[in-house]
Parts: sequence; structure tokens; C-alpha cells
Amino acid sequence: GQNIDQPTEMTATEGAIVQINCTYQTSGFNGLFWYQQHAGEAPTFLSYNVLDGLEEKGRFSSFLSRSKGYSYLLLKELQMKDSASYLCAVRATGGGNKLTFGTGTQLKVEL
Amino acid sequence: DSGVTQTPKHLITATGQRVTLRCSPRSGDLSVYWYQQSLDQGLQFLIHYYNGEERAKGNILERFSAQQFPDLHSELNLSSLELGDSALYFCASSGEDRGAPLHFGNGTRLTVT
Repeated sequence: GQNIDQPTEMTATEGAIVQINCTYQTSGFNGLFWYQQHAGEAPTFLSYNVLDGLEEKGRFSSFLSRSKGYSYLLLKELQMKDSASYLCAVRATGGGNKLTFGTGTQLKVEL
Repeated sequence: DSGVTQTPKHLITATGQRVTLRCSPRSGDLSVYWYQQSLDQGLQFLIHYYNGEERAKGNILERFSAQQFPDLHSELNLSSLELGDSALYFCASSGEDRGAPLHFGNGTRLTVT
């Protein structure tokens, strides 16, 4: 089976940087994904990591350490519209391409 | 717009009833996934179909069933509905590459009264 842990809530200030952590345990790791989900809306894909290191995409970056079972999502120059839930998801080998999701981190961006 | 279409957007029904949720995947995607999201839980994987065949099953109740048709659209059937089945039901589709993300539809909000 798989186990994914993320903080439940975080608060940050507009214009600041925030790091959302995710730890996971899985047999047969085959990739880690980050999604953003606004309340009542569909999750939208942000990033994908399968090798160790940092992937940068505009204001969003994601880091992976496979040996530690650890990832983080870094959001820079926070904007009010970044207030949302951020979901960490893991893909395992042998399970098709399905994703197992963590319960999400609710980020609140304040003025 | 993800390219994944789900209907209906909202469903309100009574306990004991049966409903069908429909999903059309993105053009070119052969895989369809169904997820349930309740208020107190994250996205729970229900089932995965690839090109008409069941590929993987999650914690899907026996009262729930799904299928994928030759035109690749999928339907999720929920029967003998209970209050606890009230949730957002998402369909997603993907390509087959290892790094292919899931693209989600806008979901069907089911309310069982």
C-alpha cells in the first residue's frame, strides 16, 4: 500500500515564499505529482518529479528525494489566487497510471 | 479547460435510488479513472479503465460499478444510494507515458437526501 503525509493547513503572506512538504511510503515508486485544487473545482496538474532534484516551472518549483521519500512544492511571489488546496500524489509501479493522493494542504494567502 | 467532460454537474436524489455519472476523456486518452472526494477525505481512487478493460480497482463499493465503452466514454453507476455516498465524483483521463498526469473533469456533485 501507500502512505502520503502532508500538513493540513498553512498560512502565508502575499508576495512571500511558502514550502509545502510531502512524505510518502510506497512499494515501487514511479513518480510524484503535485496538483492545485480550489474549493469545489477540479484538481489541476502543477508538476511531476521522478528523479531526484528540483523542477522549476515559473513561480512553482517541486523537489524530490527518493531515498528520503520526501518532496516539497515551493511557491514564490505568492498571490491571493494561490489560496487553494495543494495535493501530493504518488504513482506506483504495477498499478497502471493511477495516482494515490494525500489529503491535501489548505494554503491561505493573506495580505 | 482539461478536455475531460463530466455530466451532470449536480445530482440530487433520495436514499435507495440509482444514478449514472458520465465521463468523456480528452481526445487521444485511452485511460479513464474515477475518484470520490468527500468533505472529510481526500481524493479516493475508485477504478481505472484502459481502452474498455478494467485495469485497477480501488476501494470501490459493490453497489458501485463502472464501464468504458468502445467510444472510450465511461459511466459510473451508483446504486442503493446511502447518505454517506454524497460526495464529489471526479473522472480523469491520461496518456500512457510514465510521466503522464491525470487530467480531471469538473466533477459531479452528488447529494443523497
